Amino acid sequence: DVKVTQSSRYLVKRTGEKVFLECVQDMDHENMFWYRQDPGLGLRLIYFSYDVKMKEKGDIPEGYSVSREKKERFSLILESASTNQTSMYLCASSSTVPHEQYFGPGTRLTVT
Amino acid sequence: QQQVKQSPQSLIVQKGGIPIINCAYENTAFDYFPWYQQFPGKGPALLIAIRPDVSEKKEGRFTISFNKSAKQFSLHIMDSQPGDSATYFCAGSGGSNYKLTFGKGTLLTVNP
Repeated sequence: DVKVTQSSRYLVKRTGEKVFLECVQDMDHENMFWYRQDPGLGLRLIYFSYDVKMKEKGDIPEGYSVSREKKERFSLILESASTNQTSMYLCASSSTVPHEQYFGPGTRLTVT
Repeated sequence: QQQVKQSPQSLIVQKGGIPIINCAYENTAFDYFPWYQQFPGKGPALLIAIRPDVSEKKEGRFTISFNKSAKQFSLHIMDSQPGDSATYFCAGSGGSNYKLTFGKGTLLTVNP
């Protein structure tokens, strides 16, 4: 069974703090993704990576950065957290073929 | 930005009913159309997927109908059960691009 784990289920941070969200997958998948999920807006892609040290912007990359130093680990970084980044953050991974993505349980981040 | 438009936003049916969720896509390069199911507090999980070379795919009580000329596809849930109550997302993906473009989701409630 594919397993995607995220470092925290719930996180509360203050405005201006630097926030790290960690994601680890155990299936040797090439591709990894970070989404945020907000009511009525669905799943929006922040960044994705198709190889170690490679990254590409998704649809809403502003205010975020990512790091992928090892194949199994993909980190999302909020350089200076703001209240509008309060959201559910979902990590996913996939192999090259097919395109099925496996999701982690999510991290609910609250920025106060 | 390539879109996948999903409707309705929410749906309530009685046990045994057949809820239908519809999606329309714009990108003619899409060749993979999955549906994801998400329960509260969990990440989305792949439910069923279809490629455009077939017009219908069934897995248990779940059926995808696909209309390539209209660029539309839909999810039917036969004999729906209260345990099917969840949020459902359609998505599209194509070519060498491993990204999924998601619809905004449908919250399904199946009453006993």
